[in-house]
Amino acid sequence: DAKTTQPTSMDCAEGRAANLPCNHSTISGNEYVYWYRQIHSQGPQYIIHGLKNNETNEMASLIITEDRKSSTLILPHATLRDTAVYYCIVPQDTGTASKLTFGTGTRLQVTL
Amino acid sequence: DGGITQSPKYLFRKEGQNVTLSCEQNLNHDAMYWYRQDPGQGLRLIYYSQIVNDFQKGDIAEGYSVSREKKESFPLTVTSAQKNPTAFYLCASSIVGGGWEQFFGPGTRLTVL
Repeated sequence: DAKTTQPTSMDCAEGRAANLPCNHSTISGNEYVYWYRQIHSQGPQYIIHGLKNNETNEMASLIITEDRKSSTLILPHATLRDTAVYYCIVPQDTGTASKLTFGTGTRLQVTL
Repeated sequence: DGGITQSPKYLFRKEGQNVTLSCEQNLNHDAMYWYRQDPGQGLRLIYYSQIVNDFQKGDIAEGYSVSREKKESFPLTVTSAQKNPTAFYLCASSIVGGGWEQFFGPGTRLTVL
């Protein structure tokens, strides 16, 4: 997988937007950017993914820079339940194998 | 409800004993995965299977074994050969060729005493 770099931790006030950055400067042209999150002691949860264009779903928005070397996951109105570790992943295309490599992610703490 | 179940949530075993962790899914997914997570670390892939009766080693397969006799089930055995078995074990499933969206179970926390 292309290497990704994320800040170790971030804080966000409840109700404000949480902007989580990810650097993936070695990404190749056909590789996607995936985001997952893991609430404490639970299994990871898929959030969103993108290739070139910005993407939005009911959970978050994903902004990918034009050169694709970095991206930002945006939680528009963070709540206490969004406190979790957020993983940015660029999976390697190995044919049919959907292997994911999870780094240590960004620990987001949402506070009152 | 569709999803992945792992049982039990907490498991304690004595050193030297083999232990089998259960993973069942009713999502009709062909692919299933086992990951290990140590405190403060990311997930590491142990084994994965894309079809019944076939599976491949992941990054840390030593000391583990799996079987895939049914599409819905992918049990993981932690053998006595695994040097540091105490960890959080996560099972996941996905559609083959459907990208990298995986669905995870709630995990089993194994403690070897």
